[in-house]
Amino acid sequence: DADVTQTPRNRITKTGKRIMLECSQTKGHDRMYWYRQDPGLGLRLIYYSFDVKDINKGEISDGYSVSRQAQAKFSLSLESAIPNQTALYFCATSGSVETQYFGPGTRLLVL
Amino acid sequence: AQTVTQSQPEMSVQEAETVTLSCTYDTSESDYYLFWYKQPPSRQMILVIRQEAYKQQNATENRFSVNFQKAAKSFSLKISDSQLGDAAMYFCAYRSEGGTSYGKLTFGQGTILTVHP
Repeated sequence: DADVTQTPRNRITKTGKRIMLECSQTKGHDRMYWYRQDPGLGLRLIYYSFDVKDINKGEISDGYSVSRQAQAKFSLSLESAIPNQTALYFCATSGSVETQYFGPGTRLLVL
Repeated sequence: AQTVTQSQPEMSVQEAETVTLSCTYDTSESDYYLFWYKQPPSRQMILVIRQEAYKQQNATENRFSVNFQKAAKSFSLKISDSQLGDAAMYFCAYRSEGGTSYGKLTFGQGTILTVHP
């Protein structure tokens, strides 16, 4: 089984809809991250959490919110989706001094 | 804020040959980590190699090695004996070890590597 899972893997939604992307990990890591990938821009950090009670904004948090339901679960929400949020979204985890391990990604299309 | 630049949007190499992917970064920190990630068409992000800034010795993982030049803020990836399975997008990434940016990754724009048989 994969250490970091994301659901759904693909999603098509309409402008204005609320959507939630979910991430779960079995690595026992405290730190979890959400990134988005756009062509030509690499991956950019949306939100990160160093433990259940610690949530921080990344460089592009506008239009997004997150919830850390447990050590193993970190969800990303788009409250009112817009077309320029069409992207590939990655969840990642890490221990205190370890490499970040990525989930398989969620491809989101906002029409 | 740190920035990472990959100046080669695309590179190509013949199978069994060697190719070098470039990465430069800008930081005022002295302690940090650098990474190369591979993203094949499956879109999974796979760690290729990592380098601790305090280590002068260049990291090596089988056919993959880096040339880390701390003063020049350069971190290139060399792939030897290229294989068809090496074809992918490669990302250079910087991880801060200090202050409010601790643990956060900053990525470059990526380099698409094509391997010709």
